[in-house]
Amino acid sequence: AQSVSQHNHHVILSEAASLELGCNYSYGGTVNLFWYVQYPGQHLQLLLKYFSGDPLVKGIKGFEAEFIKSKFSFNLRKPSVQWSDTAEYFCAVNAPLTGGGNKLTFGTGTQLKVEL
Amino acid sequence: NAGVMQNPRHLVRRRGQEARLRCSPMKGHSHVYWYRQLPEEGLKFMVYLQKENIIDESGMPKERFSAEFPKEGPSILRIQQVVRGDSAAYFCASSQTQGTSTGELFFGEGSRLTVL
Repeated sequence: AQSVSQHNHHVILSEAASLELGCNYSYGGTVNLFWYVQYPGQHLQLLLKYFSGDPLVKGIKGFEAEFIKSKFSFNLRKPSVQWSDTAEYFCAVNAPLTGGGNKLTFGTGTQLKVEL
Repeated sequence: NAGVMQNPRHLVRRRGQEARLRCSPMKGHSHVYWYRQLPEEGLKFMVYLQKENIIDESGMPKERFSAEFPKEGPSILRIQQVVRGDSAAYFCASSQTQGTSTGELFFGEGSRLTVL
């Protein structure tokens, strides 16, 4: 069964600092990888996703992630965070279900707080 | 274009009562997923449904929990004889296509169940 590990549970940064959130997964087959974000009081939203091709994926709001197959990693990065990036970030891996559909397995999440 | 709608947003129940959580998928989506988020944990897959069919319920507790997605109306997650350990946020997600063509799930804002 697939699993996802997020190493940092709580991260506090000052505005303009660089961000990198770690994500490692375990799954034997071809994977699709995702980062979702949950702003306070809101639903989960897709930040970016990797299916194939260029391992450096760019998402919304200046976020990017790099898929390193040899390390089973899909770390999220942003060069300069803003106060509005305060949120919880979830890494997820997609494994196909027997009956079709997309079962996402999520990490435990990283709570990011950006201070002014 | 309305997103995934969940209600109630907050539900308080006493031990032994029943909880019913409802989810209306995005327009045009026929695949529904339920996830549970416990404090300090990631989102755990519970069940995947298509209209009138349960496709995968590998994450559902064997007792007291059931889910349905009728031909007409929202998907329902039902928890009978609730216990304090059922207190959690329950998220519904929907997708348009079968298989892994996109892999993206669209989430509702969640229903937060508190069991007294």
